[in-house]
Amino acid sequence: AQSVTQLDSQVPVFEEAPVELRCNYSSSVSVYLFWYVQYPNQGLQLLLKYLSGSTLVKGINGFEAEFNKSQTSFHLRKPSVHISDTAEYFCAVKAGNNRKLIWGLGTSLAVNP
Amino acid sequence: DTEVTQTPKHLVMGMTNKKSLKCEQHMGHRAMYWYKQKAKKPPELMFVYSYEKLSINESVPSRFSPECPNSSLLNLHLHALQPEDSALYLCASSQGQGAYSGNTIYFGEGSWLTVV
Repeated sequence: AQSVTQLDSQVPVFEEAPVELRCNYSSSVSVYLFWYVQYPNQGLQLLLKYLSGSTLVKGINGFEAEFNKSQTSFHLRKPSVHISDTAEYFCAVKAGNNRKLIWGLGTSLAVNP
Repeated sequence: DTEVTQTPKHLVMGMTNKKSLKCEQHMGHRAMYWYKQKAKKPPELMFVYSYEKLSINESVPSRFSPECPNSSLLNLHLHALQPEDSALYLCASSQGQGAYSGNTIYFGEGSWLTVV
């Protein structure tokens, strides 16, 4: 069975500081990995995804993530955050033979001035 | 801008009412989903339609009844709900839904449901 662990439930950070949101997964088969963002009172929006190929994935709004197979991680990074990045961030995994997306519990990013 | 449109945005209903949530997508996607989301929690899958046929029902109580009239439309009929059913209901779509597929799931803005 697959699972996803987001290691931090809340991450407070000051504006223009770098941020890393951590995500680890477990799976015995190949995976597809996703990061979604949910701004207050909105639906979920795809930030980026890893399917195959280059392990460094660039997404929207200046975010990027690196797939590390040996550490079973897919951490999300941004070099300089803005107030508008305040949101809930969800990591999700889909294992090759599973039709469903498995979600982490989410990380609440709070960017303070 | 989301290309999955949900109506209504807000709905308040009594426990004896019958109401429906509606969802539409024009991306040509063949898989459509209903998710339920409580505050600060990940979305919980309820139903999946693939090529207009129900392919996944996550043991959802029968007071929730999905319907897929065509490949662009998805409804969720609500009847005799409980206060604990109050949540954000998200519709989503993707190109396909099968195994070995990394298709992106596109979400609508959601319908906020309050059961009183």
